[in-house]
Amino acid sequence: DTAVSQTPKYLVTQMGNDKSIKCEQNLGHDTMYWYKQDSKKFLKIMFSYNNKELIINETVPNRFSPKSPDKAHLNLHINSLELGDSAVYFCASSLYQYNEQFFGPGTRLTVL
Amino acid sequence: SQQGEEDPQALSIQEGENATMNCSYKTSINNLQWYRQNSGRGLVHLILIRSNEREKHSGRLRVTLDTSKKSSSLLITASRAADTASYFCATDNYGQNFVFGPGTRLSVLP
Repeated sequence: DTAVSQTPKYLVTQMGNDKSIKCEQNLGHDTMYWYKQDSKKFLKIMFSYNNKELIINETVPNRFSPKSPDKAHLNLHINSLELGDSAVYFCASSLYQYNEQFFGPGTRLTVL
Repeated sequence: SQQGEEDPQALSIQEGENATMNCSYKTSINNLQWYRQNSGRGLVHLILIRSNEREKHSGRLRVTLDTSKKSSSLLITASRAADTASYFCATDNYGQNFVFGPGTRLSVLP
């Protein structure tokens, strides 16, 4: 019974491609997040999504877009992938904004 | 600018010893949280401490918060090899998104 799941676990793709990462939580939480963890393990929030309100980190390029078909899902779409997009992407959720977060296992994206 | 920064960046101790990690931040906060990340895994929440709290305990974990110094510490007592992981602090400040520090890599040697 995985609380927060992500697919795929690994994603290898060429520069310029468009890809998506899916995230699902079965905790009934109201808020979901996307994080990027770089090679130095630094974790940066990309988006938080709470009751259809999207808070975007202003440093995130507009090639990245979150899409939430329902409260349990927050998918990440990335257009025109670049080498610098290579990282591990984590989805997370929390009951309310700024509460304890539950993280997914991560998706390792490699752009060649 | 980066909100939370952990210190030290890396820490090696023997099993049974205590481990102390510190987190400093720059602006006022609402909550401060500590997370653990085992290699190749997602983060796991350890403790949340609110700005009006000074200390919290959970099992072998003790977290303190000093808002006057804008710092927090995480103490792990009687460490075990399974405590080997990276530890991150995260802050939120009144409507702003979470900011994570770069983490402390803890190695507990048997």
